[in-house]
Amino acid sequence: GQQVMQIPQYQHVQEGEDFTTYCNSSTTLSNIQWYKQRPGGHPVFLIQLVKSGEVKKQKRLTFQFGEAKKNSSLHITATQTTDVGTYFCAGHSYGQNFVFGPGTRLSVLP
Amino acid sequence: DAGVIQSPRHEVTEMGQEVTLRCKPISGHNSLFWYRQTMMRGLELLIYFNNNVPIDDSGMPEDRFSAKMPNASFSTLKIQPSEPRDSAVYFCASSLGSLAKNIQYFGAGTRLSVL
Repeated sequence: GQQVMQIPQYQHVQEGEDFTTYCNSSTTLSNIQWYKQRPGGHPVFLIQLVKSGEVKKQKRLTFQFGEAKKNSSLHITATQTTDVGTYFCAGHSYGQNFVFGPGTRLSVLP
Repeated sequence: DAGVIQSPRHEVTEMGQEVTLRCKPISGHNSLFWYRQTMMRGLELLIYFNNNVPIDDSGMPEDRFSAKMPNASFSTLKIQPSEPRDSAVYFCASSLGSLAKNIQYFGAGTRLSVL
């Protein structure tokens, strides 16, 4: 079945440093979503990517969808303490349900 | 909009007891999802309803788990009998539209501890 992997599992950065998490699917995706979960909170939708090679930006966050639609990345520029949390990608393949990746837990040291 | 509402927020029970988790989706949403989150297994989809009908329950762990959606504004997830390994955070999420395009809105979750 479809598998979605994320690396790294954990990332500790100093405030102001950049951060990137990568998402890889075992199958070609029709679209991919990214969610953020704050400690003790619930997943909150960030963005959806649909087109091959698509790039979207939200302030300091940049999301990319690979040309082959099997991978994606989230890059945060100049991290802040408010960026702390776990970032999940969720991929959808045709005819299948969304599958969430295991997440990347980001810690930002002030 | 009140968002997805789950109750209770916390549940502590003893092994063997019946546990019922409740969810009220966002008004107008026609898809509802139940997830289980643990450190070891991450976020797992248990069951998915569309227009109150269970579409995919392949993630339900075993017969001890059951879910119902009697109407568009209410769903339950029941565990009977509960076991310590069921301890987890259970999330309900709802969405509008087809599965291929939906954005899922999660409730605050129910933290279940089975002693």
